[in-house]
Amino acid sequence: EVQLVESGGGLVQPGGSLRLSCAATTYWMQWVRQPPGKGLEWVSDISGDGKRTTYADSVRGRFTISRDSAKNTLYLQMNSLRAEDTAVYYCRTSPVVPNDWGQGTLVTVSS
Amino acid sequence: QAVVTQEPSLTVSPGGTVTLTCGSSTGAVSSGHYPYWFQQKPGQAPRTLIYDTDNKHFWTSARFSGSLLGGKAALTLSGAQPEDEADYFCSLFYNGPVVFGGGTKLTVL
Repeated sequence: EVQLVESGGGLVQPGGSLRLSCAATTYWMQWVRQPPGKGLEWVSDISGDGKRTTYADSVRGRFTISRDSAKNTLYLQMNSLRAEDTAVYYCRTSPVVPNDWGQGTLVTVSS
Repeated sequence: QAVVTQEPSLTVSPGGTVTLTCGSSTGAVSSGHYPYWFQQKPGQAPRTLIYDTDNKHFWTSARFSGSLLGGKAALTLSGAQPEDEADYFCSLFYNGPVVFGGGTKLTVL
């Protein structure tokens, strides 16, 4: 049974980059973020075959979602980070998977 | 971008029934928006309760049900228990982008 576990979060300066990782299922996968004390925000989706991706306007052109089927891993490459990108980042997948949400990884963008 | 609206807060008595709603700025919510409902307790990751309007996740209590009601997606909790006190978020699919509602803080009191 796949457990979604995110990694790669941390403290980064404005303008910097980070790459998040998560164990991938064979289904569509998604990144969702939650700024401290606030609600959920959809970030990006990728299809099961990796051929289709979608992005929120707030991250398009700065973030790239991808998946490596050989490694069963989902990625989120985050470039040109801003203070407003500070959040817990969750990966999630189809609800037919029992554990369809990860526990999240905190990204803090600050100088 | 569409805006998804939820009640900021609701209170229900133990054993009581409450309905949370999820509306769209673009008009009536339909099954084509694939409404989802999530529960989040303090310090925990969200958990999926309902997907595609009315399908329950394998762990979802029978107390919860999803539907379309009056042009909105709805989550009904029947027989509220203290452990149901949490934040509840909905999401709607807009043929590409997904938009989350701002969440409803449910108090069982």
